[in-house]
Amino acid sequence: ILNVEQSPQSLHVQEGDSTNFTCSFPSSNFYALHWYRWETAKSPEALFVMTLNGDEKKKGRISATLNTKEGYSYLYIKGSQPEDSATYLCAFCSEAAGNKLTFGGGTRVLVKP
Amino acid sequence: DAGITQSPRYKITETGRQVTLMCHQTWSHSYMFWYRQDLGHGLRLIYYSAAADITDKGEVPDGYVVSRSKTENFPLTLESATRSQTSVYFCASRGGRTPYEQYFGPGTRLTVT
Repeated sequence: ILNVEQSPQSLHVQEGDSTNFTCSFPSSNFYALHWYRWETAKSPEALFVMTLNGDEKKKGRISATLNTKEGYSYLYIKGSQPEDSATYLCAFCSEAAGNKLTFGGGTRVLVKP
Repeated sequence: DAGITQSPRYKITETGRQVTLMCHQTWSHSYMFWYRQDLGHGLRLIYYSAAADITDKGEVPDGYVVSRSKTENFPLTLESATRSQTSVYFCASRGGRTPYEQYFGPGTRLTVT
């Protein structure tokens, strides 16, 4: 069983502040790292799929970095807004696992107005 | 414009009953997945399928059965439901072999009494 950890489990952010959180994963047999945004009562939606060490992806105010050698990825939210409130999931895909994703437990973000 | 749908959206059943959750996608995606949402674990993979008539176990397959006779459908059956199978179940799909993002259905909330 692959170990994918996200920290913190939850965080409260004041509107307008920036924040970041971590996904750690095995550093061997890396294939891809996914980030999903999951709003309450909805289904997860893909933010990024990252495959290369040093990858940086950006979508609006949300960006992510990837370090496959040390096994971590950061997700950043710049100038948080209430609509950014959601659970952010990362998912690791190894070469051995092929097309299967192993999800972390998620970081629940609450942006307070 | 249906995308990926699940039915029923809500189901209450009794311990020992057989119940089938349906998943249907209109994209002709080759890969389909079943996950369950567990507190602290994010999403855990139950079963997945790479194509019609090809299925394989995920992380938590015990007590579940799947089939895939047609590309667009991927039903999940709980042969004899137990209370520990109370959860929200998500179906997902994606196309191709490269690490594309997965597209999730709206989920089925199953309660086993």
